[in-house]
Amino acid sequence: DGGITQSPKYLFRKEGQNVTLSCEQNLNHDAMYWYRQDPGQGLRLIYYSQIVNDFQKGDIAEGYSVSREKKESFPLTVTSAQKNPTAFYLCASSLSVVHQPQHFGDGTRLSIL
Amino acid sequence: GQQLNQSPQSMFIQEGEDVSMNCTSSSIFNTWLWYKQDPGEGPVLLIALYKAGELTSNGRLTAQFGITRKDSFLNISASIPSDVGIYFCAGQLQTGANNLFFGTGTRLTVIP
Repeated sequence: DGGITQSPKYLFRKEGQNVTLSCEQNLNHDAMYWYRQDPGQGLRLIYYSQIVNDFQKGDIAEGYSVSREKKESFPLTVTSAQKNPTAFYLCASSLSVVHQPQHFGDGTRLSIL
Repeated sequence: GQQLNQSPQSMFIQEGEDVSMNCTSSSIFNTWLWYKQDPGEGPVLLIALYKAGELTSNGRLTAQFGITRKDSFLNISASIPSDVGIYFCAGQLQTGANNLFFGTGTRLTVIP
């Protein structure tokens, strides 16, 4: 089935540790996105990528990093600089950034030990 | 970023009732999207609207793109228990890569 796969579903981080969240899509979409969702709130954009080897900061990029070495993959690293990392992280993709709706993966819930 | 006002924040309705929710913005959007999110899952696209005044249905769901391009409405008819979840609106600008903005969601509870 075509879609967006996020892994793991649940992730725990120790203080001072970096963790990487995986996002893979087989929809042949050019654009990919990472959002953060906190309880009772909407989605906030962390990073996005319009094309391979290109990515841009979103509204809340501090403490996060990404890479886009392959079209189908857009991993997100939550660094130790992110002081409040506990949240639900959602990856999305779209055919392009213009006039194309975004489709989401099932999310990764990150918690601090 | 852009602010989208989504209302109501939450709704408790009886099974079989109709539901209406809306989203307004101070900005003009070229596309309006409606998503549904179940607990612990990612949002699923329900309806996409691309033209002012457009009325589009998806089963029991009907959404409209407001004439002013600053608002959108979602209606659910004859609600059933599986309609439970959080519904998000999103407005998309025509230009710019960081161009999708989300409402804060409407939490729907359906009482059997």
